[in-house]
Amino acid sequence: KAGVTQTPRYLIKTRGQQVTLSCSPISGHRSVSWYQQTPGQGLQFLFEYFSETQRNKGNFPGRFSGRQFSNSRSEMNVSTLELGDSALYLCASTVGRGQETQYFGPGTRLLVL
Amino acid sequence: AQKITQTQPGMFVQEKEAVTLDCTYDTSDPSYGLFWYKQPSSGEMIFLIYQGSYDQQNATEGRYSLNFQKARKSANLVISASQLGDSAMYFCAMRESDGSEKLVFGKGTKLTVNP
Repeated sequence: KAGVTQTPRYLIKTRGQQVTLSCSPISGHRSVSWYQQTPGQGLQFLFEYFSETQRNKGNFPGRFSGRQFSNSRSEMNVSTLELGDSALYLCASTVGRGQETQYFGPGTRLLVL
Repeated sequence: AQKITQTQPGMFVQEKEAVTLDCTYDTSDPSYGLFWYKQPSSGEMIFLIYQGSYDQQNATEGRYSLNFQKARKSANLVISASQLGDSAMYFCAMRESDGSEKLVFGKGTKLTVNP
């Protein structure tokens, strides 16, 4: 069974630009969660999508948004990039019943210049 | 609010020895799950072990075991027979029963295995 995949793996953007990251969950998983990891703040929850609906949201500004498609693939978008958005963005998938393990993808490393 | 505390920023262990990584948590929810993940320098989070709040026995997965002390709100990870490949960051995380899959992570412990 294929694992969680994330594209692209690396990205360099400049301030003010926007970026879209993609996450394909494990087959059969309907929940996708996104996390931001920085040296200063550690791992922080961004949002979770389940069956195309946002089920939970972390404390991030509205520049961070996401969506989920009918095939459970998810995208997150960051508009008007700031230097502080430089981070490793991880997505995780699970079946979504609240009892199973979350499996993570390899992450997307975003550098904002 | 739920919180995970990992008090050891870094740990060193000799190859083939056992090591314990500490994790304490705080929650008012009677139903919760506790996880340990390993993060090598490549960045991917690798699931190691899970303990449910109602599980009667401590979880074990190969060389990994979880020392779960509910009354003390601690969930320490024990790695037996350490290997050089165990050198990585280790994160403790908790999920509450709020209907979502949100995980709250600790700051992590960097484990270095010396030959």
